[in-house]
Amino acid sequence: IAGITQAPTSQILAAGRRMTLRCTQDMRHNAMYWYRQDLGLGLRLIHYSNTAGTTGKGEVPDGYSVSRANTDDFPLTLASAVPSQTSVYFCASSDSRGASGSVDEQFFGPGTRLTVL
Amino acid sequence: GQNIDQPTEMTATEGAIVQINCTYQTSGFNGLFWYQQHAGEAPTFLSYNVLDGLEEKGRFSSFLSRSKGYSYLLLKELQMKDSASYLCAVIDSNYQLIWGAGTKLIIKP
Repeated sequence: IAGITQAPTSQILAAGRRMTLRCTQDMRHNAMYWYRQDLGLGLRLIHYSNTAGTTGKGEVPDGYSVSRANTDDFPLTLASAVPSQTSVYFCASSDSRGASGSVDEQFFGPGTRLTVL
Repeated sequence: GQNIDQPTEMTATEGAIVQINCTYQTSGFNGLFWYQQHAGEAPTFLSYNVLDGLEEKGRFSSFLSRSKGYSYLLLKELQMKDSASYLCAVIDSNYQLIWGAGTKLIIKP
């Protein structure tokens, strides 16, 4: 693994189904993020994690949950998918999230294209 | 509310110079990023500004004026591979990134 990976690359899902998007990074970054990107809108933060064992809500957290059991993995779960969750989902990581007053660039995974029918 | 404004689309000619503007209104300011995103790909980091002035990095430069809530990305000697979306993002007082919708840059030969 080099950098940050996501799986699956794309998925078509029936409404009401449960789905977990996987994200793994090998850069030993402390902070990780989940975004959704919709046409005409900027990236919107769903959830984030400053460090392993902690998570926080972003701008659009409803319908999504995350966990951060270790440094490398940050899965995003849709408990019961709805069509409005059709989007491209990006996972990102950074060395820190302002904890020490510094702000580091975020590295993005290749994205997961999710369609909910 | 928090707001980042960028032009939706711009067109420029190969070899020319283009300036992509970004204005912002956010709760606090801890820096501004520019990212490049090719169609169907992930965003990649271009530049970071936290102090007023111009940061130059090869063909790309980024300018910041905190008092005006304004930044621009300047691309020189445009190449066809520069066709992409350019995303402006501001770090607010909670160290959260607020993203603009992006500017799609079309390069014509």
